[in-house]
Amino acid sequence: QKEVEQNSGPLSVPEGAIASLNCTYSDRGSQSFFWYRQYSGKSPELIMFIYSNGDKEDGRFTAQLNKASQYVSLLIRDSQPSDSATYLCAVNNRGGSNYKLTFGKGTLLTVNP
Amino acid sequence: DGGITQSPKYLFRKEGQNVTLSCEQNLNHDAMYWYRQDPGQGLRLIYYSQIVNDFQKGDIAEGYSVSREKKESFPLTVTSAQKNPTAFYLCASRTQGLDTEAFFGQGTRLTVV
Repeated sequence: QKEVEQNSGPLSVPEGAIASLNCTYSDRGSQSFFWYRQYSGKSPELIMFIYSNGDKEDGRFTAQLNKASQYVSLLIRDSQPSDSATYLCAVNNRGGSNYKLTFGKGTLLTVNP
Repeated sequence: DGGITQSPKYLFRKEGQNVTLSCEQNLNHDAMYWYRQDPGQGLRLIYYSQIVNDFQKGDIAEGYSVSREKKESFPLTVTSAQKNPTAFYLCASRTQGLDTEAFFGQGTRLTVV
């Protein structure tokens, strides 16, 4: 089982809709979780992180974490064409003094005007 | 301005050659990471380092080598043992911790000719 799994998509939503992106992880000891956005040919940029069970909201973005189910999601409300990108889920694990940051394959989101 | 710099942006390698990708940061970050990204794929961890003179293998370390002689620098060598090196390489850095953002360089696109 891969450490971090995402539906590769593509996920297509109309402008103004809610986009829902999902991520599961295999290491039950994982401690914090990040969502990055990556435009084609560019570097990833952080959208938000979460480490407590429940929801965390930042503007149009909401991250949801359920550690019992080993599941983290990202909701994008009022989706805009500029949100069209690949969304990468990353999981942070600590082993001794080392912090390993593992990414999923990403979900390609297309927002149609 | 603080940031993380990768060079060169594009690199061409002949088969059988070793090449070194540069990554420098002036953010005073302890941790540095190297990732490889293939088309339509997420980021796969090659090597990571938490402190000077110490580094750990990631998920796909074979055919690569690194050094961490200075806090600011984490160069990656792609050796001739790496049979399929054509990819987009990303370097990242962050402070130690579970909820700290990883900042990425602009990437190096390596092509075997």
